[in-house]
Amino acid sequence: SQQGEEDPQALSIQEGENATMNCSYKTSINNLQWYRQNSGRGLVHLILIRSNEREKHSGRLRVTLDTSKKSSSLLITASRAADTASYFCATDESGSARQLTFGSGTQLTVLP
Amino acid sequence: DAGVIQSPRHEVTEMGQEVTLRCKPISGHDYLFWYRQTMMRGLELLIYFNNNVPIDDSGMPEDRFSAKMPNASFSTLKIQPSEPRDSAVYFCASSLFPDTQYFGPGTRLTVL
Repeated sequence: SQQGEEDPQALSIQEGENATMNCSYKTSINNLQWYRQNSGRGLVHLILIRSNEREKHSGRLRVTLDTSKKSSSLLITASRAADTASYFCATDESGSARQLTFGSGTQLTVLP
Repeated sequence: DAGVIQSPRHEVTEMGQEVTLRCKPISGHDYLFWYRQTMMRGLELLIYFNNNVPIDDSGMPEDRFSAKMPNASFSTLKIQPSEPRDSAVYFCASSLFPDTQYFGPGTRLTVL
């Protein structure tokens, strides 16, 4: 079953704009991770935020986590055409012993 | 490190045939995961191993699916007999406790 649900399912923006994707989940978590998948490729880990953290930055990426609302957001600033990909959130549920449950993904298209 | 290696990258077979997918995890990683990705169901965890021991195979869809990890550097996922509904992209991922999973490029399986 899918723990995380991303919103929107698809997002199309112009190069240089910011892209925001949201993820909601259902159970208590140890951490939440975001992954990127380029067409025809495997998933690549982007960033991890732990349950006791509220915000984390990595380059042009900013992730927030609100455990009270069971939600997270991924912000990509100054987007580039190369950011075009599917983005997935994945939750490491408390007590799950290393399983990750992936959401359905957001397809981001950055137009040049 | 070469990353997670999967073979073959593409497999086309006929219904009823046996299919074997192979995975070489990143050296030193003690967790190995097999996922299946389809448009309809998204990314599903099939089975994962810790130190070569299967920990949770509840995601394996049917007895036609089996997975082994004879040593720390090799795992197989076997489907026998294969059916058209098994057509999907199969990913192998490895990780070192406690966090990030590293995905292989995937095997695109088509069962005719």
